[in-house]
Amino acid sequence: ETGVTQSPTHLIKTRGQQVTLRCSSQSGHNTVSWYQQALGQGPQFIFQYYREEENGRGNFPPRFSGLQFPNYSSELNVNALELDDSALYLCASSLPQLAGTDTQYFGPGTRLTVL
Amino acid sequence: QKEVEQNSGPLSVPEGAIASLNCTYSDRGSQSFFWYRQYSGKSPELIMFIYSNGDKEDGRFTAQLNKASQYVSLLIRDSQPSDSATYLCAVPSGSARQLTFGSGTQLTVLP
Repeated sequence: ETGVTQSPTHLIKTRGQQVTLRCSSQSGHNTVSWYQQALGQGPQFIFQYYREEENGRGNFPPRFSGLQFPNYSSELNVNALELDDSALYLCASSLPQLAGTDTQYFGPGTRLTVL
Repeated sequence: QKEVEQNSGPLSVPEGAIASLNCTYSDRGSQSFFWYRQYSGKSPELIMFIYSNGDKEDGRFTAQLNKASQYVSLLIRDSQPSDSATYLCAVPSGSARQLTFGSGTQLTVLP
């Protein structure tokens, strides 16, 4: 167990709807990264939050947005859902270290199905 | 060219054998490398990281890094059926040091 939690575990939505996914980081970690993993692929970076600010963003459209709260928990919001948004959404928490050795620990993920 | 490449497999080895998983990366400036294990339907679990050339051992797992050739490998000794999973290689990149993953290698250990 990494201490990173995510909710909900599974979610079914229809095209055009909006969804909010939640993540609680491991104790002491101030950085949360979100990834999307399609079936048979490696996770793809969506964005990262560090101390409540967006710290980097991958190649995802603006309808993917997020928040980080003072307790370092985080939300991922997706508007206008498309069928291709069906995936496993992973949250990872970390504590920045020198020379890029900070380790990201993943939560159990949220399986989103868009019909 | 993909930034991180892995053979997708599937790779099958008999129980007790050594499983060898390979990963190549394109960014010569990469400093650290991570191996994650992902069971079907579960999230990635960190196995080990390496940032110095050479070998790093942790139990039955050995990570090998060769920066000149831009590859990193993972050896699993005395493979067990419980090692059957997809193994993901990941390299930090970008301003956020986000992880760029390969597509993973599916390993099956046959009893």
